[in-house]
Amino acid sequence: DAEITQSPRHKITETGRQVTLACHQTWNHNNMFWYRQDLGHGLRLIHYSYGVQDTNKGEVSDGYSVSRSNTEDLPLTLESAASSQTSVYFCASSEPGLAGVQYFGPGTRLTVT
Amino acid sequence: EDKVVQSPLSLVVHEGDTVTLNCSYEVTNFRSLLWYKQEKKAPTFLFMLTSSGIEKKSGRLSSILDKKELFSILNITATQTGDSAVYLCADSGGSNYKLTFGKGTLLTVNP
Repeated sequence: DAEITQSPRHKITETGRQVTLACHQTWNHNNMFWYRQDLGHGLRLIHYSYGVQDTNKGEVSDGYSVSRSNTEDLPLTLESAASSQTSVYFCASSEPGLAGVQYFGPGTRLTVT
Repeated sequence: EDKVVQSPLSLVVHEGDTVTLNCSYEVTNFRSLLWYKQEKKAPTFLFMLTSSGIEKKSGRLSSILDKKELFSILNITATQTGDSAVYLCADSGGSNYKLTFGKGTLLTVNP
């Protein structure tokens, strides 16, 4: 069955370290998104991509980067992890033409100490 | 910038009660309004409402969209403890398939 997976599911890292969170989908969706979810803020968009070599900034993109070298993967990199980036991160994907229906991965809980 | 506001932020009911969750939105170019359910894991899709489909129903859950007043409601009848979750509302505005989420309503159904 087609699915969207994230790894690792849990990660503890130290301030200042570079961290990469993986997202892989087998639906062959062109659109992929990264969100963070924090208490009191809901889901906030970090970066998104509409296809290979395309990346765009969301509302909370500072300190994060993404790259899209194939359809299946959109890794999220924290350049220099900060305690404010402790959060749950969700990856999602969608197919154009469905007016926005996105399907979410299981999430990665990241703790920056 | 799109804005989505959900109310109430939290709600506690007893099994069998009927609940109504509210979602108001301000968008520059409305495309669709979506509802998701989140139970301590990834959000799962419930409904999508568009200009051509302003009412949806699935079992005990139903949702309507009022495009004139810019709001949507999610109704759950005969609630069960398994309905306990955060319910998220999101709008898909503009031409780029992005979703803007509200902060969610935490529903707790007690036995």
